[in-house]
Amino acid sequence: NAGVTQTPKFRVLKTGQSMTLLCAQDMNHEYMYWYRQDPGMGLRLIHYSVGEGTTAKGEVPDGYNVSRLKKQNFLLGLESAAPSQTSVYFCASSYLAGKLAGGTGELFFGEGSRLTVL
Amino acid sequence: AQSVSQHNHHVILSEAASLELGCNYSYGGTVNLFWYVQYPGQHLQLLLKYFSGDPLVKGIKGFEAEFIKSKFSFNLRKPSVQWSDTAEYFCALRPRNEKLTFGTGTRLTIIP
Repeated sequence: NAGVTQTPKFRVLKTGQSMTLLCAQDMNHEYMYWYRQDPGMGLRLIHYSVGEGTTAKGEVPDGYNVSRLKKQNFLLGLESAAPSQTSVYFCASSYLAGKLAGGTGELFFGEGSRLTVL
Repeated sequence: AQSVSQHNHHVILSEAASLELGCNYSYGGTVNLFWYVQYPGQHLQLLLKYFSGDPLVKGIKGFEAEFIKSKFSFNLRKPSVQWSDTAEYFCALRPRNEKLTFGTGTRLTIIP
């Protein structure tokens, strides 16, 4: 079972470069999320999507863009990377809470992508 | 807006000690509550969840948590910790059909 897969797992960028993180899930989940994890700050939501073709801003959206052209994929883009974007990025997916039997809103996470911006 | 507070940033215990990690939340309506664990170098995994019903929830690896609505709390407990429980623990709140909000996490170090 693949679950949630993130690529790449590691990346080093120079300031001003662009890149895209890809998240793929095979559980037919409606919701997908991008979080960043920084020491002492827990996980902060960057952007999320409640379905194919829709996206919304989270707590810390500045400097990031997202797209959800297919239900199973959620892309996170950095147009012009900055050192403040050095972080570990986690993608997650979930059913709509309560919609399905056992659909409690539990999130399933990918293994993370470590990004360093020099 | 909802929020989650984890007041213990770093907890250090000896093996076989009892554990209680605090989690308080702020939200006025119905919520789902979760504890996630992140072992060193790994992604987050669900430890346990509260959706409705019995406020005492049992999870994997001998962990349990009690939802006390009057105190807005969802503390995590384990009667006897093991070295392998060394990890970071995150409490999370999800109001119905809204976004999941995480606490800042508690780092647990177990000394053999």
